[in-house]
Amino acid sequence: SSEVTQDPAVSVALGQTVRIICQGDRLRRHHANWYQQKPGQAPVVVMYGDSNRPSGIPDRFSGSSSGDTASLTITGAQAEDEADYYCNFRESNGNDFVFGPGTKVTVL
Amino acid sequence: QEQLVQSETEVKKPGASVKVSCKASGYAFSGYYMNWVRQAPGQGLEWMGWINPNTGGTHFAQRFQGRVTVTADTSMDTAYMDLDNLRPGDTAIYYCARFRGYSSGGIFSWYFDLWGRGTLITVSS
Repeated sequence: SSEVTQDPAVSVALGQTVRIICQGDRLRRHHANWYQQKPGQAPVVVMYGDSNRPSGIPDRFSGSSSGDTASLTITGAQAEDEADYYCNFRESNGNDFVFGPGTKVTVL
Repeated sequence: QEQLVQSETEVKKPGASVKVSCKASGYAFSGYYMNWVRQAPGQGLEWMGWINPNTGGTHFAQRFQGRVTVTADTSMDTAYMDLDNLRPGDTAIYYCARFRGYSSGGIFSWYFDLWGRGTLITVSS
Protein backbone atom coordinates (compact mmCIF):
# COMPACT_ATOMS: atom_id res chain seq x y z
CA SER A 1 0.00 0.00 0.00
CA SER A 2 0.99 3.62 -0.46
CA GLU A 3 2.59 5.75 2.18
CA VAL A 4 0.76 9.02 2.50
CA THR A 5 1.68 11.83 4.85
CA GLN A 6 -0.05 14.92 6.23
CA ASP A 7 1.09 17.43 8.82
CA PRO A 8 -0.53 16.38 12.10
CA ALA A 9 -1.68 19.88 12.98
CA VAL A 10 -1.68 23.43 11.66
CA SER A 11 -3.07 26.65 13.03
CA VAL A 12 -4.33 29.75 11.28
CA ALA A 13 -5.46 33.14 12.49
CA LEU A 14 -9.07 34.02 11.83
CA GLY A 15 -9.39 35.43 8.32
CA GLN A 16 -5.97 34.29 7.21
CA THR A 17 -4.96 31.59 4.74
CA VAL A 18 -3.88 28.04 5.52
CA ARG A 19 -2.61 25.35 3.20
CA ILE A 20 -2.99 21.69 4.10
CA ILE A 21 -0.63 19.26 2.39
CA CYS A 22 -0.97 15.60 1.46
CA GLN A 23 2.08 13.81 0.09
CA GLY A 24 2.33 10.38 -1.49
CA ASP A 25 3.88 8.83 -4.56
CA ARG A 26 0.49 7.60 -5.80
CA LEU A 27 -0.64 11.20 -6.07
CA ARG A 28 1.52 11.47 -9.17
CA ARG A 29 -1.09 9.32 -10.94
CA HIS A 30 -4.29 9.70 -8.92
CA HIS A 31 -6.47 12.61 -7.93
CA ALA A 32 -6.92 13.60 -4.32
CA ASN A 33 -10.16 14.14 -2.46
CA TRP A 34 -10.46 16.05 0.81
CA TYR A 35 -12.84 15.53 3.71
CA GLN A 36 -13.60 17.77 6.66
CA GLN A 37 -14.57 16.13 9.94
CA LYS A 38 -15.76 18.05 12.97
CA PRO A 39 -15.89 16.43 16.43
CA GLY A 40 -18.69 13.93 16.76
CA GLN A 41 -19.69 14.21 13.11
CA ALA A 42 -19.26 12.17 9.97
CA PRO A 43 -16.77 13.41 7.36
CA VAL A 44 -17.94 15.75 4.61
CA VAL A 45 -16.26 16.04 1.22
CA VAL A 46 -14.93 19.54 0.59
CA MET A 47 -12.88 18.86 -2.54
CA TYR A 48 -12.69 16.08 -5.09
CA GLY A 49 -10.55 15.40 -8.11
CA ASP A 50 -7.84 17.68 -6.71
CA SER A 51 -9.67 20.94 -7.37
CA ASN A 52 -13.42 20.39 -7.72
CA ARG A 53 -15.58 21.88 -5.03
CA PRO A 54 -18.90 20.11 -4.33
CA SER A 55 -22.09 22.09 -4.25
CA GLY A 56 -22.55 23.86 -0.95
CA ILE A 57 -18.87 24.12 -0.06
CA PRO A 58 -17.76 27.74 0.39
CA ASP A 59 -15.47 29.12 -2.28
CA ARG A 60 -12.83 29.93 0.34
CA PHE A 61 -11.87 26.25 -0.09
CA SER A 62 -9.68 25.47 -3.07
CA GLY A 63 -7.50 22.56 -4.09
CA SER A 64 -4.52 21.83 -6.29
CA SER A 65 -2.02 19.11 -7.01
CA SER A 66 1.50 18.94 -8.37
CA GLY A 67 3.77 15.93 -8.52
CA ASP A 68 3.40 13.89 -5.35
CA THR A 69 1.67 16.65 -3.39
CA ALA A 70 -1.97 17.63 -3.16
CA SER A 71 -3.03 20.76 -1.32
CA LEU A 72 -6.22 22.09 0.21
CA THR A 73 -6.21 25.82 0.83
CA ILE A 74 -8.61 27.77 2.99
CA THR A 75 -8.48 31.46 2.10
CA GLY A 76 -9.95 33.60 4.84
CA ALA A 77 -10.37 30.85 7.43
CA GLN A 78 -13.48 31.02 9.59
CA ALA A 79 -14.06 29.66 13.06
CA GLU A 80 -16.31 26.96 11.61
CA ASP A 81 -13.42 25.64 9.53
CA GLU A 82 -11.75 24.28 12.65
CA ALA A 83 -11.78 20.53 12.05
CA ASP A 84 -9.75 17.51 11.00
CA TYR A 85 -9.01 17.28 7.29
CA TYR A 86 -8.25 14.01 5.53
CA CYS A 87 -6.97 13.47 2.03
CA ASN A 88 -8.01 10.35 0.18
CA PHE A 89 -7.15 8.77 -3.15
CA ARG A 90 -7.39 5.63 -5.17
CA GLU A 91 -4.64 3.05 -4.96
CA SER A 92 -2.80 1.98 -8.08
CA ASN A 93 -4.65 -1.34 -8.16
CA GLY A 94 -7.79 0.65 -8.84
CA ASN A 95 -9.86 -1.11 -6.22
CA ASP A 96 -8.37 0.02 -2.92
CA PHE A 97 -8.63 3.45 -1.36
CA VAL A 98 -6.41 5.23 1.10
CA PHE A 99 -6.92 8.01 3.62
CA GLY A 100 -4.14 10.22 4.82
CA PRO A 101 -3.53 10.37 8.58
CA GLY A 102 -5.34 13.70 8.86
CA THR A 103 -4.48 17.29 9.75
CA LYS A 104 -6.05 19.07 12.67
CA VAL A 105 -6.73 22.69 11.74
CA THR A 106 -7.08 25.16 14.59
CA VAL A 107 -8.45 28.63 13.90
CA LEU A 108 -7.02 31.13 16.38
CA GLN B 1 -33.34 14.20 0.69
CA GLU B 2 -30.54 11.71 0.22
CA GLN B 3 -29.42 10.04 3.41
CA LEU B 4 -27.89 6.96 4.92
CA VAL B 5 -29.28 5.79 8.25
CA GLN B 6 -27.17 3.37 10.23
CA SER B 7 -27.99 0.95 13.01
CA GLU B 8 -27.42 1.79 16.63
CA THR B 9 -24.43 1.43 18.93
CA GLU B 10 -23.48 -2.08 20.01
CA VAL B 11 -21.21 -3.60 22.63
CA LYS B 12 -19.69 -6.98 21.82
CA LYS B 13 -17.36 -9.42 23.52
CA PRO B 14 -14.10 -10.53 21.92
CA GLY B 15 -14.65 -13.36 19.48
CA ALA B 16 -18.23 -12.33 18.72
CA SER B 17 -19.59 -11.01 15.42
CA VAL B 18 -21.42 -7.81 14.62
CA LYS B 19 -23.73 -6.78 11.80
CA VAL B 20 -24.11 -3.08 10.99
CA SER B 21 -26.84 -1.89 8.66
CA CYS B 22 -27.00 1.17 6.43
CA LYS B 23 -30.36 2.12 4.93
CA ALA B 24 -30.34 4.45 1.97
CA SER B 25 -33.14 6.80 1.03
CA GLY B 26 -33.68 9.59 -1.45
CA TYR B 27 -31.71 8.05 -4.30
CA ALA B 28 -31.45 4.89 -6.42
CA PHE B 29 -29.65 2.55 -4.03
CA SER B 30 -28.64 0.06 -6.72
CA GLY B 31 -26.97 2.72 -8.79
CA TYR B 32 -24.09 3.53 -6.46
CA TYR B 33 -21.36 1.51 -4.82
CA MET B 34 -21.37 1.57 -1.02
CA ASN B 35 -18.27 1.65 1.12
CA TRP B 36 -17.47 0.96 4.73
CA VAL B 37 -14.98 3.15 6.57
CA ARG B 38 -14.03 2.89 10.22
CA GLN B 39 -12.48 5.23 12.75
CA ALA B 40 -10.96 4.04 16.00
CA PRO B 41 -11.27 6.40 18.98
CA GLY B 42 -9.07 9.44 18.45
CA GLN B 43 -7.69 8.00 15.22
CA GLY B 44 -8.02 8.61 11.51
CA LEU B 45 -10.25 7.13 8.83
CA GLU B 46 -9.62 3.63 7.54
CA TRP B 47 -11.22 2.35 4.35
CA MET B 48 -12.50 -1.22 4.68
CA GLY B 49 -14.16 -2.14 1.40
CA TRP B 50 -17.04 -1.65 -1.01
CA ILE B 51 -20.04 -3.41 -2.51
CA ASN B 52 -21.78 -2.94 -5.81
CA PRO B 53 -25.44 -3.33 -4.75
CA ASN B 54 -26.48 -4.04 -8.32
CA THR B 55 -24.27 -7.11 -8.76
CA GLY B 56 -23.32 -7.99 -5.20
CA GLY B 57 -19.66 -7.74 -6.13
CA THR B 58 -17.36 -6.76 -3.27
CA HIS B 59 -13.77 -5.80 -2.59
CA PHE B 60 -12.02 -5.37 0.73
CA ALA B 61 -8.75 -4.03 2.01
CA GLN B 62 -6.36 -6.91 2.47
CA ARG B 63 -6.30 -6.61 6.25
CA PHE B 64 -10.04 -7.28 6.43
CA GLN B 65 -10.27 -10.07 3.90
CA GLY B 66 -11.69 -13.23 5.42
CA ARG B 67 -13.16 -11.43 8.40
CA VAL B 68 -15.61 -8.99 6.85
CA THR B 69 -18.68 -9.67 4.75
CA VAL B 70 -20.67 -6.96 3.04
CA THR B 71 -24.08 -7.60 1.51
CA ALA B 72 -26.85 -5.49 0.01
CA ASP B 73 -30.59 -6.02 -0.01
CA THR B 74 -31.90 -3.99 -2.91
CA SER B 75 -35.52 -4.64 -1.89
CA MET B 76 -34.80 -2.85 1.38
CA ASP B 77 -32.27 -0.34 0.00
CA THR B 78 -29.95 -1.47 2.75
CA ALA B 79 -26.29 -2.48 2.93
CA TYR B 80 -24.90 -4.64 5.71
CA MET B 81 -21.42 -5.10 7.07
CA ASP B 82 -20.59 -8.20 9.12
CA LEU B 83 -17.33 -8.31 11.03
CA ASP B 84 -16.33 -11.62 12.59
CA ASN B 85 -14.01 -12.63 15.41
CA LEU B 86 -14.08 -9.21 16.99
CA ARG B 87 -11.05 -7.95 18.89
CA PRO B 88 -10.67 -4.94 21.19
CA GLY B 89 -8.80 -3.26 18.34
CA ASP B 90 -12.00 -3.33 16.30
CA THR B 91 -13.56 -0.81 18.66
CA ALA B 92 -14.44 2.03 16.32
CA ILE B 93 -17.14 4.05 14.65
CA TYR B 94 -18.14 2.30 11.45
CA TYR B 95 -19.43 4.51 8.63
CA CYS B 96 -21.12 3.61 5.41
CA ALA B 97 -20.29 6.01 2.58
CA ARG B 98 -21.56 6.21 -0.97
CA PHE B 99 -19.21 6.33 -3.93
CA ARG B 100 -19.66 8.92 -6.62
CA GLY B 101 -17.61 8.59 -9.77
CA TYR B 102 -16.09 11.42 -11.71
CA SER B 103 -13.75 11.98 -14.60
CA SER B 104 -10.99 14.56 -14.46
CA GLY B 105 -8.09 15.01 -16.84
CA GLY B 106 -8.95 11.74 -18.54
CA ILE B 107 -8.74 9.82 -15.28
CA PHE B 108 -11.85 8.22 -13.80
CA SER B 109 -11.99 8.02 -10.04
CA TRP B 110 -14.28 8.10 -7.03
CA TYR B 111 -15.01 10.05 -3.92
CA PHE B 112 -17.25 9.47 -0.92
CA ASP B 113 -20.08 11.95 -1.37
CA LEU B 114 -22.66 10.80 1.17
CA TRP B 115 -21.95 9.40 4.61
CA GLY B 116 -24.00 7.79 7.34
CA ARG B 117 -23.72 9.18 10.85
CA GLY B 118 -21.72 6.17 11.98
CA THR B 119 -22.27 3.20 14.28
CA LEU B 120 -20.10 2.82 17.37
CA ILE B 121 -19.02 -0.75 17.96
CA THR B 122 -17.27 -1.38 21.27
CA VAL B 123 -15.46 -4.67 21.79
CA SER B 124 -14.79 -5.38 25.43
CA SER B 125 -14.81 -8.33 27.77
